[in-house]
Amino acid sequence: NAGVTQTPKFRVLKTGQSMTLLCAQDMNHEYMYWYRQDPGMGLRLIHYSVGEGTTAKGEVPDGYNVSRLKKQNFLLGLESAAPSQTSVYFCASSFPGNQPQHFGDGTRLSIL
Amino acid sequence: AQSVTQPDIHITVSEGASLELRCNYSYGATPYLFWYVQSPGQGLQLLLKYFSGDTLVQGIKGFEAEFKRSQSSFNLRKPSVHWSDAAEYFCAVVRLTGGGNKLTFGTGTQLKVEL
Repeated sequence: NAGVTQTPKFRVLKTGQSMTLLCAQDMNHEYMYWYRQDPGMGLRLIHYSVGEGTTAKGEVPDGYNVSRLKKQNFLLGLESAAPSQTSVYFCASSFPGNQPQHFGDGTRLSIL
Repeated sequence: AQSVTQPDIHITVSEGASLELRCNYSYGATPYLFWYVQSPGQGLQLLLKYFSGDTLVQGIKGFEAEFKRSQSSFNLRKPSVHWSDAAEYFCAVVRLTGGGNKLTFGTGTQLKVEL
């Protein structure tokens, strides 16, 4: 019973490097989300998807791109990492409607 | 736009004492409200949710929350805190749209439990 799985769990990057964070869910959820969590700011929505092949911007989308080629996977990309993107990134998924979101354990990303 | 305020950044209680964590929301329509808990190094786990009906909702781990429309509040309570309850707690409101269910989180309350 995996739920929402995020890889990697930790990563250190240098400024300007690129990387992709992977989120996989096995609950057949239509909706998927990427958040970032910073001290004193709660969680802020980066991008989200309401179905395979569709994505949309959230509250803080700049500097990130996403793709949802398969229903169970949601990828978050950083094309040119910046120190301001040092954060903990959480993926979540849910059914449509007023259903709660289920979260992964997060990816701790440090950019030097 | 909807917003959630958690006025207390840190709270310390003794084990066995009662707990109340405050949450105030701003939302134009009937809110759908959640409380999540985050243990260190972990993701967020759903404690309870309010959609409609009975304003006192029960959740997991002995937590409950009361929705008060007149005060725009959804405070989380527990009669007797256990040391394992030490964690960060987030209140959230969801805005249902045709383009996804967007959660707005409060900034969290860090709970410390003294033995």
